[in-house]
Amino acid sequence: EAGVTQSPTHLIKTRGQQVTLRCSPISGHTSVYWYQQALGLGLQFLLWYDEGEERNRGNFPPRFSGRQFPNYSSELNVNALELEDSALYLCASSLAVVMNTEAFFGQGTRLTVV
Amino acid sequence: DAKTTQPTSMDCAEGRAANLPCNHSTISGNEYVYWYRQIHSQGPQYIIHGLKNNETNEMASLIITEDRKSSTLILPHATLRDTAVYYCIVRINAGNNRKLIWGLGTSLAVNP
Repeated sequence: EAGVTQSPTHLIKTRGQQVTLRCSPISGHTSVYWYQQALGLGLQFLLWYDEGEERNRGNFPPRFSGRQFPNYSSELNVNALELEDSALYLCASSLAVVMNTEAFFGQGTRLTVV
Repeated sequence: DAKTTQPTSMDCAEGRAANLPCNHSTISGNEYVYWYRQIHSQGPQYIIHGLKNNETNEMASLIITEDRKSSTLILPHATLRDTAVYYCIVRINAGNNRKLIWGLGTSLAVNP
């Protein structure tokens, strides 16, 4: 069974540009979570989508946004990129309504803003 | 979500048990303890989770104290491939507060 897949694996963008990152959850998972991990730091929660709706949002500016599609895949969009947006962006998926459910992570997208 | 405290780093000899402690003194009754690990620059890997009973799976054992204020992740026979950052997280598993709050974890070095 395929795990969580993210694309692209690496990306280099210029300050001020916009970027879209993609995530395909494990089949049957309806919840998708996005995290940012800057170099040497812990994971910071960005967004949680479930059944196409944004359920929760971390402490990030509005230029970080996303959406979830009917097939439960998700996109993370970052507008007006800043140098400090350089990080590993991780997507995770889980079953939505089942208690005791763990989240499974993809390998991430390494974004470098220059 | 409750906060967790973990040692910054630990060492373990290959083949020996690695015992990774975690303090979560403010945990509430409906919060679960989760453990993940992250091998350098890869996505975090789920290890195990529990509420109040000890848990064991093919990867590890989780020992939760009776008052639930601390727990220990045990890797029974550590290998070099277990070298990673180990994260202890507590979270509620329901409602709109289901995000994971991550600390900086414990960097475990398994030495030959």
